Amino acid sequence: DSGVTQTPKHLITATGQRVTLRCSPRSGDLSVYWYQQSLDQGLQFLIQYYNGEERAKGNILERFSAQQFPDLHSELNLSSLELGDSALYFCASSVGLGDTGELFFGEGSRLTVL
Amino acid sequence: DQQVKQNSPSLSVQEGRISILNCDYTNSMFDYFLWYKKYPAEGPTFLISISSIKDKNEDGRFTVFLNKSAKHLSLHIVPSQPGDSAVYFCAAISHSNYQLIWGAGTKLIIKP
Repeated sequence: DSGVTQTPKHLITATGQRVTLRCSPRSGDLSVYWYQQSLDQGLQFLIQYYNGEERAKGNILERFSAQQFPDLHSELNLSSLELGDSALYFCASSVGLGDTGELFFGEGSRLTVL
Repeated sequence: DQQVKQNSPSLSVQEGRISILNCDYTNSMFDYFLWYKKYPAEGPTFLISISSIKDKNEDGRFTVFLNKSAKHLSLHIVPSQPGDSAVYFCAAISHSNYQLIWGAGTKLIIKP
């Protein structure tokens, strides 16, 4: 158990819809990261928040947005969903800015868009 | 631009033998290199790391070697066990921006 909690574990929705994925980081971790993994492909970095502020942005689509709340939990919002958005979405957290590269990952949220 | 490359999508090794997973990188500014292990339907878990000032780091059955001149690192698992069957990701980070750059992963299959 990494200490990172993601909900929901599974989500099935239709094209054009909007969903919200939630992540609670490990206790004490200030950074939250979102990653996307599609069909046995590599991990695509989406975005990082540090103590409520956006820290770094990766290959995140404009239809996607995220935020980190004062209690440090984070939400990833995916809108106008397309079939290609079906993927595993991982949240990770780290102490500080993650300068050692050691991240703690949740179990992921599997999104299926029909 | 793939800064971290894992050129072998998969590797099959007999149980008890040595598994060697390879990773190449292009950015000489990377300070830390890491290996993560991932089982299906689970998040990646940190396995072992190495600083750019070292050439070897060992943790039990796992050893990571870094060859800076060749911009190459490898993960050795000895002896390989069935529970080692997983996808292994190589990753690197630079302290100039703290961005973790990931390889595409290598699927390791340990045959009984």
